[in-house]
Amino acid sequence: AQTVTQSQPEMSVQEAETVTLSCTYDTSESNYYLFWYKQPPSRQMILVIRQEAYKQQNATENRFSVNFQKAAKSFSLKISDSQLGDTAMYFCAFMNRDDKIIFGKGTRLHILP
Amino acid sequence: KAGVTQTPRYLIKTRGQQVTLSCSPISGHRSVSWYQQTPGQGLQFLFEYFSETQRNKGNFPGRFSGRQFSNSRSEMNVSTLELGDSALYLCASSLEWAEGLNTEAFFGQGTRLTVV
Repeated sequence: AQTVTQSQPEMSVQEAETVTLSCTYDTSESNYYLFWYKQPPSRQMILVIRQEAYKQQNATENRFSVNFQKAAKSFSLKISDSQLGDTAMYFCAFMNRDDKIIFGKGTRLHILP
Repeated sequence: KAGVTQTPRYLIKTRGQQVTLSCSPISGHRSVSWYQQTPGQGLQFLFEYFSETQRNKGNFPGRFSGRQFSNSRSEMNVSTLELGDSALYLCASSLEWAEGLNTEAFFGQGTRLTVV
């Protein structure tokens, strides 16, 4: 069974700093999707970034980038120039061909002014 | 393009009652998944439907059930409610998996269920 582990329950950083959220996963499949979702206090889950396992190039979306290490089954999220609006719960997630998404327990990120 | 719509947004029910939650996916999405979110357990997968068939099921008791209609709308039912069923229930819709299609799940705003 697939599992997703986020080892940092909570983090705080100063505005404008760079922060990295960790995620490891376990699967026997060779192709899958990995995601980082953000859930602000409004509760709406928002996709931050997506990585398809067969693509070796790390995904980037503006200030958000990932470090995808397939062999190590690691998928960390880097937020550069952090902003107050980045304060949220961040979930790492895994999706397989069955369209079933498994989430990690989340990292609560606080951006401090 | 309308997003995923969940109704109702809030519900208060009494122990022993049953409840039905509704989810309307994004037009064209045939996969609908349900998740239970609680502070202690995080996001737990309930089940996933595709073209009116349940393809995946999480580790929840039989009191939790669902269905999907021909228009891809989905309902989730919880019978004999327990206090521990109090949670945020999230629905997500997606296109069917396809390599290179940039699959992602789009979430509704959730239904906050409180069992008293």
